[in-house]
Amino acid sequence: GQQLNQSPQSMFIQEGEDVSMNCTSSSIFNTWLWYKQDPGEGPVLLIALYKAGELTSNGRLTAQFGITRKDSFLNISASIPSDVGIYFCAPRGGSEKLVFGKGTKLTVNP
Amino acid sequence: EPEVTQTPSHQVTQMGQEVILRCVPISNHLYFYWYRQILGQKVEFLVSFYNNEISEKSEIFDDQFSVERPDGSNFTLKIRSTKLEDSAMYFCASRTTGGSISPLHFGNGTRLTVT
Repeated sequence: GQQLNQSPQSMFIQEGEDVSMNCTSSSIFNTWLWYKQDPGEGPVLLIALYKAGELTSNGRLTAQFGITRKDSFLNISASIPSDVGIYFCAPRGGSEKLVFGKGTKLTVNP
Repeated sequence: EPEVTQTPSHQVTQMGQEVILRCVPISNHLYFYWYRQILGQKVEFLVSFYNNEISEKSEIFDDQFSVERPDGSNFTLKIRSTKLEDSAMYFCASRTTGGSISPLHFGNGTRLTVT
C-alpha cells in the first residue's frame, strides 16, 4: 500500500525563525496539497501543487512538488505566533481521495 | 469567502444509536467528501460522492455508513448502530470539479462522541 512519511513530527521554534517540513512517499502522486489545522477546526488549504518541479509561494509560505512526484516540502519564513498549528501534506494520485500525512505540529515561542 | 458548513459541531450518542451528520457544501461545488480524524491521528478518507452516487470509498466505509444528498444543498453521513471506535471528528469537504485540479475545501467538522 501507499506509504506517506511526514517529518518532522513536531517543531519548537522561536518567532522569526524559518521552518521546513517535508513529505515523502513510496508512490507517485499527481497533486500535492498542504493544509493547516488549528485546534477544533477543519484543515485549511495553504498551497496546491499540480506539476512535478512546481515551486509555489503564498505569502511567507513556499512549497515544492518534487521532480520524482514522490515528495514535497513546505517552508515557512520568518515565523509568527499565529503559525502555530498542525501542518499536513495531502497528496492525491489517480483516485478521488486525498492521503494525509501524520502532520507536523508547529509551536512558535514569542 | 464561501464555506463548507457542518452541523452539529458536537454530537454525543450512545453506542448502538444512529446518528446523522449534516453538511452544506459550497454552492457551486460538485464533488463531496467525508473524512474522519480520530483524536491525535491523521485525517482519513471515508467516501467521495458525485452525481448522486458514491464514486469511491475506503475500507473504513462499511455497511454501517451511508451518504445522501437529500436536496440541492445538504450532504449527510449516516452512521447506523454506532460503536465506541466511531468517536472522532468527521469532516465534510467539497470541490468544484474532478481530476487533478481543484483542491478540497473542508468544513470545521462534527465531533462525534459515542458513549
